[in-house]
Amino acid sequence: AQSVTQLDSHVSVSEGTPVLLRCNYSSSYSPSLFWYVQHPNKGLQLLLKYTSAATLVKGINGFEAEFKKSETSFHLTKPSAHMSDAAEYFCVVSDTMDSSYKLIFGSGTRLLVRP
Amino acid sequence: NAGVTQTPKFRVLKTGQSMTLLCAQDMNHEYMYWYRQDPGMGLRLIHYSVGEGTTAKGEVPDGYNVSRLKKQNFLLGLESAAPSQTSVYFCASRRLMNTEAFFGQGTRLTVV
Repeated sequence: AQSVTQLDSHVSVSEGTPVLLRCNYSSSYSPSLFWYVQHPNKGLQLLLKYTSAATLVKGINGFEAEFKKSETSFHLTKPSAHMSDAAEYFCVVSDTMDSSYKLIFGSGTRLLVRP
Repeated sequence: NAGVTQTPKFRVLKTGQSMTLLCAQDMNHEYMYWYRQDPGMGLRLIHYSVGEGTTAKGEVPDGYNVSRLKKQNFLLGLESAAPSQTSVYFCASRRLMNTEAFFGQGTRLTVV
């Protein structure tokens, strides 16, 4: 069965410092992995996706993530946080062997950015 | 191109009332999903559909029903609303297994 664990419910950083949001997944086969962002009272926007191509994936707004199969991880990083990055971030897995192609969400990490 | 549109955006129901949430997508996607979002729990799958005329249960289906009579529409029904169904509901659609899902803007439902 698929599952996603986001290791931190809240992360607080200062503006201009690096961001690291951690995600571990469990999948029975070759997963597709995504990071979505949700700003307050908004819908979900795709940041980036991994679908068995390059293991280092670049997304929008300077975010990137690295797929590490041996560690079953897909951590999200950004070199320098901006105030506008304050939001909730969701790591999502989809198992390519699951015919429903449903997406399984982690519980989310709320990113706070201090001035 | 509107993407995924949810109707209504807000609703307050009394316990025991019924309602239907509508999700419409204009991208010709096969797969559609209904999720609910509650604080600290991420998004949990209620029901999903892998094509017109098909539906299946997700992680938290109790108290909800769905229908997909047309490919572009996915309806979520609450027959007898309960306070535990107070939540934000998101609809999503997806084309293929390696593609991302597109989400609607959400419906904030309060049951009093």
